[in-house]
Amino acid sequence: GNSVTQMEGPVTLSEEAFLTINCTYTATGYPSLFWYVQYPGEGLQLLLKATKADDKGSNKGFEATYRKETTSFHLEKGSVQVSDSAVYFCALSLRSGYSTLTFGKGTMLLVSP
Amino acid sequence: DTAVSQTPKYLVTQMGNDKSIKCEQNLGHDTMYWYKQDSKKFLKIMFSYNNKELIINETVPNRFSPKSPDKAHLNLHINSLELGDSAVYFCASSQGTGGGNYGYTFGSGTRLTVV
Repeated sequence: GNSVTQMEGPVTLSEEAFLTINCTYTATGYPSLFWYVQYPGEGLQLLLKATKADDKGSNKGFEATYRKETTSFHLEKGSVQVSDSAVYFCALSLRSGYSTLTFGKGTMLLVSP
Repeated sequence: DTAVSQTPKYLVTQMGNDKSIKCEQNLGHDTMYWYKQDSKKFLKIMFSYNNKELIINETVPNRFSPKSPDKAHLNLHINSLELGDSAVYFCASSQGTGGGNYGYTFGSGTRLTVV
């Protein structure tokens, strides 16, 4: 089946530090890959996506590159802010037919001033 | 102008009761979903509907019965509530059949507490 593995949190950083959240996947077909963010008490918001190998998704200073050879989609940001504190979810969906998003377990990020 | 709206936002009820959660999307999407988020934040798909037709039912107890009166609405009815049903339930929608390049738009969630 399909699965997503993320590094366990919480990840605790000081403001302006560099962020990496690791994500690897297994899929029965060719997936599209996503990062979602959940702020406290809110629903999930799409942060970025990549739909084929070597694509780079980016948004709000966050980036992730679709690496088919290592089945990875690591999330990075060069300088985090307190407002980035949230839970981050890596997810995949297959590119054809009826499919649903399969999520990783989420990684909590805590950024202190 | 909310894209995916769920009601109620909070629901506290006693074991054994029956309750419903409603979801509506105004994005013109073809597919809608229910996800359950447990206390450890893990998200698991429960159901998926495409144009009012049930597509995916992920081994959810039959106490849970989704209903889609039209493609803009997907409601979730839960019978004989149990303590283990306590969770946050998210409704979502997407274009197409759920796969491919389309991300999902999520509602803000319904926090269900069974006491």
